[in-house]
This record gives sequence, C-alpha cells and structure tokens, in this order.
Amino acid sequence: DAGITQSPRHKVTETGTPVTLRCHQTENHRYMYWYRQDPGHGLRLIHYSYGVKDTDKGEVSDGYSVSRSKTEDFLLTLESATSSQTSVYFCAISKKTGRSGGQETQYFGPGTRLLVL
Amino acid sequence: AQKITQTQPGMFVQEKEAVTLDCTYDTSDQSYGLFWYKQPSSGEMIFLIYQGSYDEQNATEGRYSLNFQKARKSANLVISASQLGDSAMYFCAMREAAGGTSYGKLTFGQGTILTVHP
Repeated sequence: DAGITQSPRHKVTETGTPVTLRCHQTENHRYMYWYRQDPGHGLRLIHYSYGVKDTDKGEVSDGYSVSRSKTEDFLLTLESATSSQTSVYFCAISKKTGRSGGQETQYFGPGTRLLVL
Repeated sequence: AQKITQTQPGMFVQEKEAVTLDCTYDTSDQSYGLFWYKQPSSGEMIFLIYQGSYDEQNATEGRYSLNFQKARKSANLVISASQLGDSAMYFCAMREAAGGTSYGKLTFGQGTILTVHP
C-alpha cells in the first residue's frame, strides 16, 4: 500500500463539460503519473510529474492537462470531455524498493471510472 | 512499433498446476526494468515482480518467478501451484532508462487474462 487515493472513484459526465480527477498521496513521493486503461490497449501514459510544478506529456496527452501545486496532489483535467475519454484512469507513484533501495517500482491508486455521455 | 508484446489474450490452467505467461519486449537501451502487475476483477493494479536488465539471476517472489532471457528479449512470468485467486488480468511492463530522462515511465503490454479452473 503506497497511500494513494483517487477521487472521485466513479463519474458520469456529459460531452463538452470539464472534468478534474484528483490523485492524492501521503508518502511524499516525487514522481507521479496518470494512465488510462482501455480494452485492447493496456495502460497508456497521459502525463507525469517529476516535482511540484514540473510536468510533462505522455503518449496520449491530447485533450488532457495536469497540475501539481503540492507534492501530495496531482490533478488531471479533461478540458472538454469527449466520449473517447470514457476510460478507467489510474494514478501512480514511483517508489524506491528492493534490497538496496535501488529499484524504482510504480504503485497504483484504485482507479477512477469515467463515463462521458 | 509495439515495445511490449503479450501474445496470449487468454490462458487457462488447472488449480495447483504451473502456468507461464509470455512477454517479449523491444528496446535499444542497455539499462531497463521489467515488471509484472496483476489486475483482479476488482480493478486494482498489484505489483508482482521486477527484473532489472543487469540482474544475473531470475527474479522470484513467492510463487512468482520471472524467466528472463535477455538475448531473446523475453520476460515470461511463471506462476507455480496456481490458486483460484490467481484468476486475473496480468500485465507486463517495461521501464527504459532513456538517458535518465524517462522519469520512470512504464510501457505496458495489452495483458493476458488468466483463468484458474478448480
């Protein structure tokens, strides 16, 4: 358990409305990530953050923006939701593990199911 | 080009038997990491096992082992003594070093659904 929560856990919204998903962590990890999961595609990286106010795009970033004003919170915003953004969204943190602490492992939050009508 | 390939959309195994889930990868990096995650029907992503590209021994974690064949670029997950609770989707993932700028980003395969029969 890496102390990651996501809110909301489920959301139904209409096309064209803005939506913000929140990821909150309690262990002060530097790196945070947003992925989406769709059938046939596995998980794909949307955006990631390597520190407060430091973010960058992943492979499927179009239509999404992120913000990280505090270490513990990483927000994902759908500027104007579309039906193609119906998905399950996972937040993750990167945590040093392994015997020597040299291994970086990603741990995931519980996910948010978003339905855009 | 797909970097992680899981060729088995679904696998079936009898309880108490061993099963191998295939994963092949493509990278030009010398330093990379390979991960397996389990996703049960409840939806959470659970980390199972990690193999570093420079690790000489195959990784093991309880009933999970990773059959790492570097020359073949394969990182197959072996689950021994399957249990009903092992029924889930399994994802292989890779983290490339990319000159230190990758910030730990993972690339995932499409997953394999494992069903354990009693």
